Amino acid sequence: EAQVTQNPRYLITVTGKKLTVTCSQNMNHEYMSWYRQDPGLGLRQIYYSMNVEVTDKGDVPEGYKVSRKEKRNFPLILESPSPNQTSLYFCASSPGLAREQYFGPGTRLTVT
Amino acid sequence: AQSVAQPEDQVNVAEGNPLTVKCTYSVSGNPYLFWYVQYPNRGLQFLLKYITGDNLVKGSYGFEAEFNKSQTSFHLKKPSALVSDSALYFCAVIPGDNFNKFYFGSGTKLNVKP
Repeated sequence: EAQVTQNPRYLITVTGKKLTVTCSQNMNHEYMSWYRQDPGLGLRQIYYSMNVEVTDKGDVPEGYKVSRKEKRNFPLILESPSPNQTSLYFCASSPGLAREQYFGPGTRLTVT
Repeated sequence: AQSVAQPEDQVNVAEGNPLTVKCTYSVSGNPYLFWYVQYPNRGLQFLLKYITGDNLVKGSYGFEAEFNKSQTSFHLKKPSALVSDSALYFCAVIPGDNFNKFYFGSGTKLNVKP
């Protein structure tokens, strides 16, 4: 089944404790992206990747890192999480530029 | 600055009535326009898109959307609403000068009552 998977689905952590949210897609898509969803703000793009080893900042990259060492994986790293990063995070992939995206199920992160 | 506006937080319609969910945008170049739907505790699902051509595009589940260049709008429509259409709807735009960037509206909650 074609899908985007994210792990974990739910995470509660404390300020400053490094964490990684994994994202994997099995559709051989070149483009992948991370978003955060906050009430009243919709989805905002954090980082995106056009292909292996090619990443760039979205609109809200501060406090986040990404890497794209393999085509299928695009992990999101929070080196020192803070409470304002409490949010619902989505990973998405698409077959190319300006194409529709396929979204993962989301990761609900709470930072206390 | 690039922006996408969904002016209604919530739209209420009766089952069987037509529905419209509004979207306007302000981005560079000739945009690519999308609608997505989100059901509770799920990721977003693609509904339809406009790239070029006919201003009325048809998508999944009987939805359609009308592109209006002069009004910079891309409203989502359906002739006859179903209770199962109740969900959160997002308009998304790719600017014509940067195909890597996606901008989403704040979302509109559609409530369809029996």
